[in-house]
Amino acid sequence: EAQVTQNPRYLITVTGKKLTVTCSQNMNHEYMSWYRQDPGLGLRQIYYSMNVEVTDKGDVPEGYKVSRKEKRNFPLILESPSPNQTSLYFCASRDTGGSYGYTFGSGTRLTVV
Amino acid sequence: GQNIDQPTEMTATEGAIVQINCTYQTSGFNGLFWYQQHAGEAPTFLSYNVLDGLEEKGRFSSFLSRSKGYSYLLLKELQMKDSASYLCAVSHTGGFKTIFGAGTRLFVKA
Repeated sequence: EAQVTQNPRYLITVTGKKLTVTCSQNMNHEYMSWYRQDPGLGLRQIYYSMNVEVTDKGDVPEGYKVSRKEKRNFPLILESPSPNQTSLYFCASRDTGGSYGYTFGSGTRLTVV
Repeated sequence: GQNIDQPTEMTATEGAIVQINCTYQTSGFNGLFWYQQHAGEAPTFLSYNVLDGLEEKGRFSSFLSRSKGYSYLLLKELQMKDSASYLCAVSHTGGFKTIFGAGTRLFVKA
């Protein structure tokens, strides 16, 4: 089944403790992206990747890092999480043709205390 | 600057037709997407418009006017399962950066 898999689904952590949210897709998509979703603000793009070893900042990249060492994986790293990073995070991928919409992962609900 | 506006909430009756509007301001337009998101779930892709006009897909249609920076999603023969948030999203030139609106929560009542 074609899908984007994120782990974990839920995570509660403490301020400053490094964490990684994994994302993997099995559709051979070149393009992957991370979003966070907050009430009233909608989905905001954190980082995106056009291909292996090619990444760029979205609208809210502060406090996050990403890497794209393999085509299928695009982990999101929070080196020193803070409470304002408490949010619902979505990984998404799509093909490079402009008309293709994103396939989203199931989401990761992160709470930083 | 970049901005996408859509109504926060709408209510409609089962079997009826509803139109959800979206206006946008952006540089380097490369297409407009609509997504559906049920509560607690991930968004799912509904439609894509890059040229002016109407795209029809079953009960759902989407319209775009690039000169007006305006789109709408039309849902016909509403069903209870259509109760969800509908997200308007604009893709920038190159297609890599996509900006989402805050979404419109649609309530379908019997």
